[in-house]
Amino acid sequence: DIQMTQSPSSLSASVGDRVTITCRASQGISNSLAWYQQKPGKAPKLLLYAASRLESGVPSRFSGSGSGTDYTLTISSLQPEDFATYYCQQYYSTPPLTFGGGTKVEIK
Amino acid sequence: QVQLQESGPGLVKPSQTLSLTCTVSGGSISSGGYYWSWIRQHPGKGLEWIGYIYYSGSTYYNPSLKSRVTISVDTSKNQFSLKLSSVTAADTAVYYCARVPGVNTFGGVIVSAFDIWGQGTMVTVSS
Repeated sequence: DIQMTQSPSSLSASVGDRVTITCRASQGISNSLAWYQQKPGKAPKLLLYAASRLESGVPSRFSGSGSGTDYTLTISSLQPEDFATYYCQQYYSTPPLTFGGGTKVEIK
Repeated sequence: QVQLQESGPGLVKPSQTLSLTCTVSGGSISSGGYYWSWIRQHPGKGLEWIGYIYYSGSTYYNPSLKSRVTISVDTSKNQFSLKLSSVTAADTAVYYCARVPGVNTFGGVIVSAFDIWGQGTMVTVSS
């Protein structure tokens, strides 16, 4: 199985801050990586796929980058509605599909 | 626009079988090009992929749950279902159904990201 490790597990930031979340795979996944946003009591929402492709309707302040085993989600200017938990997920190797442990973005 | 909705008992006794159904609206399961998935989230924890099914009935399961999981599809009702046997308290979780674009190739299944999710349903295992 491919293990996905996210860091940090939580962070505190202010509105307007630039936020970066990292996801590391236990082996190369050739950009087969997705990022999701989850708010309390809600289902995850797809933000990006193929490491850097923005899902339709997702604000452009969200961006993704990376290659090989290391990937990054960046929020260029944090908005109040962005406080949530973010998950990465690899779909390079299945079964199983695997998720990172999540990063909770909290208000400073 | 495709929507998914989970349904099923919110309380299951230990050792029994958890059964959930996901109803797809706004699109046909039989149209192909997608795998229909189950994912769960233990309280306060991360996400765990359970398995998925193609409309033809081909299934792929998480090896960690494979001995207890059955996913089936009913194209006439535009539904797919999850059965998890011999449940324990460790199976208490929110269960989501989700859609993932995918194709079956000679080399195996190739999928993308989960693009549509149901709202989720909480299942508690308790006597």
